[in-house]
Amino acid sequence: DTEVTQTPKHLVMGMTNKKSLKCEQHMGHRAMYWYKQKAKKPPELMFVYSYEKLSINESVPSRFSPECPNSSLLNLHLHALQPEDSALYLCASSQLAGQQETQYFGPGTRLLVL
Amino acid sequence: GNSVTQMEGPVTLSEEAFLTINCTYTATGYPSLFWYVQYPGEGLQLLLKATKADDKGSNKGFEATYRKETTSFHLEKGSVQVSDSAVYFCALPNTDKLIFGTGTRLQVFP
Repeated sequence: DTEVTQTPKHLVMGMTNKKSLKCEQHMGHRAMYWYKQKAKKPPELMFVYSYEKLSINESVPSRFSPECPNSSLLNLHLHALQPEDSALYLCASSQLAGQQETQYFGPGTRLLVL
Repeated sequence: GNSVTQMEGPVTLSEEAFLTINCTYTATGYPSLFWYVQYPGEGLQLLLKATKADDKGSNKGFEATYRKETTSFHLEKGSVQVSDSAVYFCALPNTDKLIFGTGTRLQVFP
């Protein structure tokens, strides 16, 4: 089973709201990722967690705050977002972080910021 | 760092036509190579992968061969179906992150 689940599927929020995206995997993977995908573009990496520790932050604005409470769960906390942050947010996981690892993606959360 | 160049789309084909989507890469060392597919309104699904030179990845009738001499990983399918209509991304890792090509939209008509 290579399933990564994400909730919610869709989210609409105002610029003053606080919301969270959730990602879960039960494959025993120790690396988890957040990607952002704008319409008609490829995904772009935001964060990497390895063994529940943040290992890569791709200069993401502080209004995005990741959290990895345990090895199966990854959250992305959202606060004071801008309309340009509207996008598909994809979570992925892999056995470990590294060049030979396969990343498995979830279905994504489609976010609209009004 | 590593990079990938993918042919522009859209590619429009009739059902049962032969498909090729070109992908070339630049890499240090010998990273794994991937093709992902994104159906309308969905996330990314791993389509196939190859982990070393001359490896052939295959799945659902799609194939791609890791060619070190031409630094290519072209995606092929002998007979496409309407249900193959989607966006296809070639990808390779650069340290811990995946670098994606620009994506190629495939439209298959009956």
